[in-house]
Formats: sequence, C-alpha cells, structure tokens
Amino acid sequence: LAKTTQPISMDSYEGQEVNITCSHNNIATNDYITWYQQFPSQGPRFIIQGYKTKVTNEVASLFIPADRKSSTLSLPRVSLSDTAVYYCLVVTNTGGFKTIFGAGTRLFVKA
Amino acid sequence: GAVVSQHPSRVICKSGTSVKIECRSLDFQATTMFWYRQFPKQSLMLMATSNEGSKATYEQGVEKDKFLINHASLTLSTLTVTSAHPEDSSFYICSASMGLSYNEQFFGPGTRLTVL
Repeated sequence: LAKTTQPISMDSYEGQEVNITCSHNNIATNDYITWYQQFPSQGPRFIIQGYKTKVTNEVASLFIPADRKSSTLSLPRVSLSDTAVYYCLVVTNTGGFKTIFGAGTRLFVKA
Repeated sequence: GAVVSQHPSRVICKSGTSVKIECRSLDFQATTMFWYRQFPKQSLMLMATSNEGSKATYEQGVEKDKFLINHASLTLSTLTVTSAHPEDSSFYICSASMGLSYNEQFFGPGTRLTVL
C-alpha cells in the first residue's frame, strides 16, 4: 500500500484558498487518491477522489500531476467551519479493497 | 443516501466486561465493512475488514479473539470487544462499502468506548 505524507498542520484565515499537498511516491497504477475530512468525535466524511489531472466538485478541487506521485486538495474560500483534519488516502483494490489512513493535516481557520 | 449508523454512540463499561458495537448501513447493502480505532489526536487505524457471510480479515497486531467481528447480513456488522481493559478505551469507527467502485466507502459517526 502506498504511504502518504502530508503536512501535520496548517493555518489559514476565513475567505482564503487553502491548498494541502500530499505525496504518495509509491502509488500503484490501479490506485486512486481520496481525501476525507474529519471533525472531532465524528467519522470521516468523503470530500473528493481522483485518478489523474483535475477533479472538481461543489466543495473542493483535486489536482494530480501526470506522475501521480503527489496531489493537492484545494479548498476555496475557507470558513471557520472548515477547521478539521484532512486525510489524503491512496485507495487500493490490490488484494482486496481497503483504505489506510495516514497522519492527516490539521487545518485551523482563523477569523 | 449512503448513511451508516453506529450504536451505541457512547459506552462506559467496567474492566473485564464485553461490549458490542453495531454498525448498520441504512439505505444500501454493504458487501464490505471496515472497523477502525482512533486514539486521541491520532489517525484512524484499520482493525479489520469484513465481508458478509465470511470471516473477518484482521490487520497485523489486532487480536481477533479480543475483537470479535460478525458481518451477518448485508446491512449489519458488529464488533465485540471482549474482556475490555482501560487500554481498549478509544473511538471506534466503522465504514461500509458497496464494493463496486473506489469511492463507495461511507463512515459511521463512531462509538466512544471508555473502560473503567
């Protein structure tokens, strides 16, 4: 399973765009990149998933370069309620579908 | 849609007792369910993967005789912590997947277990 590395924490202010980069140097051909958000004492919530190039939904964008060894989650105009832990995951279906969580990035959004 | 519930949300028990946690997929059939454990300020740690009707696959270092997992139906999986001890106190989270594509994993709200 590909290991992911992301910053431990980030600070931002309301209204700013936040970009969280994750490295996954050992990603395999069939692996997908998925990001989750987790608030304290709650289960993770799916944000976005992608395989290559760019994916956008109503809450975020995901940028994946051609070599797929990294990915960047972009949160436009964050608010205080976006303060949470964000996990970058490489989801593999090799030997059975499973998801392994890395350390995550604690995002603090300030007023 | 794609809602996963857990029961109970919180449980406090005495050391040596067993605790059962239920994970239900409310509006879809989950061919695969996952159980995670999360200690304060730490990430989620995958404990085991269970497929309906078959034995769970445990991650390395997780005692299968202590953490009993039953996936009896396509909408219900249970985790029983047997002979619980204070070090088992943690936040237990389940997730469910239809197994059809890579993004179909939905997480429950978690269960806070405190062993006195």
